[in-house]
Amino acid sequence: DAKTTQPNSMESNEEEPVHLPCNHSTISGTDYIHWYRQLPSQGPEYVIHGLTSNVNNRMASLAIAEDRKSSTLILHRATLRDAAVYYCILRDVEGQNYGQNFVFGPGTRLSVLP
Amino acid sequence: GAVVSQHPSWVICKSGTSVKIECRSLDFQATTMFWYRQFPKQSLMLMATSNEGSKATYEQGVEKDKFLINHASLTLSTLTVTSAHPEDSSFYICSAIQDREADTQYFGPGTRLTVL
Repeated sequence: DAKTTQPNSMESNEEEPVHLPCNHSTISGTDYIHWYRQLPSQGPEYVIHGLTSNVNNRMASLAIAEDRKSSTLILHRATLRDAAVYYCILRDVEGQNYGQNFVFGPGTRLSVLP
Repeated sequence: GAVVSQHPSWVICKSGTSVKIECRSLDFQATTMFWYRQFPKQSLMLMATSNEGSKATYEQGVEKDKFLINHASLTLSTLTVTSAHPEDSSFYICSAIQDREADTQYFGPGTRLTVL
């Protein structure tokens, strides 16, 4: 899978929006952009995914740059429960890694301040 | 959404005993499941790939005779830690492929194993 780069950590105040960036300059045309998060002592949780267009769901929004070399996960109103490690992962659905395990980098550790 | 469960959520055992961890896909069929291990402050590391009806594929450095994996049905994979030792204490997490189009996977809540 193509490599992604995320900041190690970010802080946000409760009830404010949070924008979590991810750079993926080597993304291929068939790479889906996935975001997962891991709360303390829990397994990773699916957040959202997209290919080219921006995506919204009940948890978050995903904004994808026009050239697809970067994306931003948007939490519209951060709560204390959103404190977690957020992972940005690319999945090449036509590549040799399709259907294979996820490779987790360090992700971004989000702290939410009350 | 797709749900993957694990049982037990935590287990404490004595050194030398065996522990079985179950991973179930509750509302979808999973021909492939993955087992990860996560030590404190570290990221998830793949241990093995579990394929329904066939032998598991283990990552380099993971002892297949120690970590027995059985994927007997499309909704159940089990990981048995045999003759557990304190160094096997860790957080074990399984995942399953649900969305074949986007290759989305769903993860279980994890099992905390403590070996005394």
